[in-house]
Amino acid sequence: EAQVTQNPRYLITVTGKKLTVTCSQNMNHEYMSWYRQDPGLGLRQIYYSMNVEVTDKGDVPEGYKVSRKEKRNFPLILESPSPNQTSLYFCASSLKGEGGGYTFGSGTRLTVV
Amino acid sequence: GIQVEQSPPDLILQEGANSTLRCNFSDSVNNLQWFHQNPWGQLINLFYIPSGTKQNGRLSATTVATERYSLLYISSSQTTDSGVYFCAVGPYSGAGSYQLTFGKGTKLSVIP
Repeated sequence: EAQVTQNPRYLITVTGKKLTVTCSQNMNHEYMSWYRQDPGLGLRQIYYSMNVEVTDKGDVPEGYKVSRKEKRNFPLILESPSPNQTSLYFCASSLKGEGGGYTFGSGTRLTVV
Repeated sequence: GIQVEQSPPDLILQEGANSTLRCNFSDSVNNLQWFHQNPWGQLINLFYIPSGTKQNGRLSATTVATERYSLLYISSSQTTDSGVYFCAVGPYSGAGSYQLTFGKGTKLSVIP
């Protein structure tokens, strides 16, 4: 089944403790991206990647890191999480070009206390 | 950056009714998608439609790129259609067309 898999689905952590949210897709998509969703602010892009070893900042990159060492994986790293990073996170992937509709993962609900 | 406005913000329908959701955007786009976020939080891609008209079952969408708007039609609504509908656009700009900006969404509630 074609899908984007995020882990974990839920995570509660403490301020300053490094964490990684994994994202993997099995559709050979070139493009991958991370979004966060917050009440009243909607979905905002954190980082995106056009292909292996090619990443760039989205609208709200502060406090996050990403890497794209393999085409299928695009992990999101929070080096020192803070409470304002409590949010619902989504990973997405798509093909380039015509018909490049996004496929989203199921989301990761992160709480930083 | 590009602005995306969706209307109405909230919509309550009786099961079986039809509805039209609107998305206005402030600049030329090379990418426009409609998504449904169900009550469990999952985001499902409905249409990739930077221009023209598409249909998928009871749902159809039309984008008039020259006038900078898109419409999502839901016919014979069902309770499973409830959730939030998002429009997202990407500008004319190479890699930028994949950097989608999302509207705030239309929250649809379908009551039996």
